[in-house]
Amino acid sequence: SQTIHQWPATLVQPVGSPLSLECTVEGTSNPNLYWYRQAAGRGLQLLFYSVGIGQISSEVPQNLSASRPQDRQFILSSKKLLLSDSGFYLCAWSVLWETQYFGPGTRLLVL
Amino acid sequence: TQLLEQSPQFLSIQEGENLTVYCNSSSVFSSLQWYRQEPGEGPVLLVTVVTGGEVKKLKRLTFQFGDARKDSSLHITAAQPGDTGLYLCAGASNAGNMLTFGGGTRLMVKP
Repeated sequence: SQTIHQWPATLVQPVGSPLSLECTVEGTSNPNLYWYRQAAGRGLQLLFYSVGIGQISSEVPQNLSASRPQDRQFILSSKKLLLSDSGFYLCAWSVLWETQYFGPGTRLLVL
Repeated sequence: TQLLEQSPQFLSIQEGENLTVYCNSSSVFSSLQWYRQEPGEGPVLLVTVVTGGEVKKLKRLTFQFGDARKDSSLHITAAQPGDTGLYLCAGASNAGNMLTFGGGTRLMVKP
């Protein structure tokens, strides 16, 4: 069966510090991978998606970047965090692109 | 740009009551997903509907896809406190690898 992991679960970072959130998927090959941000109790905003190693599409211009160094690894990064980067970050995977499966999320608080 | 409007945004009801959540768009989707999310966790897939007019039942939950595949509804019968959570609809289009998410409906069922 497939599983998706995200870490860390919670992160508190000062403004201006770098960020690296990691997502890995097990039990499937060549998945589509996604990064979302969610405001408290609301819907999901797609940030990046990837259909293969090294292939990244950005949906919203911002202070963040994404990389996919391996088939089942997706990383969300920032060189300098802003207060507005605080939120709940979700990674998801899909094989058939219509249904996505989500990880447990990372709660990021920028102070 | 495809948009999905969910209503209501918030719903607070007593245990045993029935409720319906709506997901509407002016765009046609090839399929539509419903997710439920608990605080601090990732969304969990409840159902995928694919065919216009399709009805799927999951215990006390009934999902319907509109005939024109532009809208969907989720009906919960005899709601229980365990149904509390954020319900998200998401539509898949024929183009691309992305889902369009609704803004979510936050349901609270009081005992």
